[in-house]
Amino acid sequence: DTAVSQTPKYLVTQMGNDKSIKCEQNLGHDTMYWYKQDSKKFLKIMFSYNNKELIINETVPNRFSPKSPDKAHLNLHINSLELGDSAVYFCASSLRPDMNTEAFFGQGTRLTVV
Amino acid sequence: AQSVTQLGSHVSVSEGALVLLRCNYSSSVPPYLFWYVQYPNQGLQLLLKYTSAATLVKGINGFEAEFKKSETSFHLTKPSAHMSDAAEYFCAVSDRGGGFKTIFGAGTRLFVKA
Repeated sequence: DTAVSQTPKYLVTQMGNDKSIKCEQNLGHDTMYWYKQDSKKFLKIMFSYNNKELIINETVPNRFSPKSPDKAHLNLHINSLELGDSAVYFCASSLRPDMNTEAFFGQGTRLTVV
Repeated sequence: AQSVTQLGSHVSVSEGALVLLRCNYSSSVPPYLFWYVQYPNQGLQLLLKYTSAATLVKGINGFEAEFKKSETSFHLTKPSAHMSDAAEYFCAVSDRGGGFKTIFGAGTRLFVKA
């Protein structure tokens, strides 16, 4: 059983389209995250939810909208995709949002906008 | 605000040689520090973490790191490199000043030569 699973693994789409990436964790964790990893491997947090409530909302374009229907799921919807959105998006979860809690990562979704 | 600097985007060692990956942090309060490893096409997984207990922290796969407050460093070492250690390594820091955020360094790619 995969602890943090995200789908799809690869996503190729045209500029201007709207797409969603889904994430599910079966670890019973309270906190989930979305990270963006660019082509230079730099990893930056985008959003974090704790018990379905948004607790971190970094400065990202409002074309990106997270949705957490329940504690085990955190989906990422992206409107009007742009070339610069091409990256690997990682979902992660942790037991709680404490600073000393490790995060468990999914395998990533490689988004390519053409 | 906290930050992390990883010295050297690429490190190359021979199999059996010492591995040393450098990480310096900036934090206004005692930090929590992490090392994560990312294998190709995979998500990040935790190697080890420092949470203000022992300053020498042992992790998985024979890695360890030492927290040195005077040097604001948390370098990762392994006495003898194995081919399977070839991966991207990320140092990360979180503290109360950053809220619930964990900030990642830019990563160091480790190459292991036969």
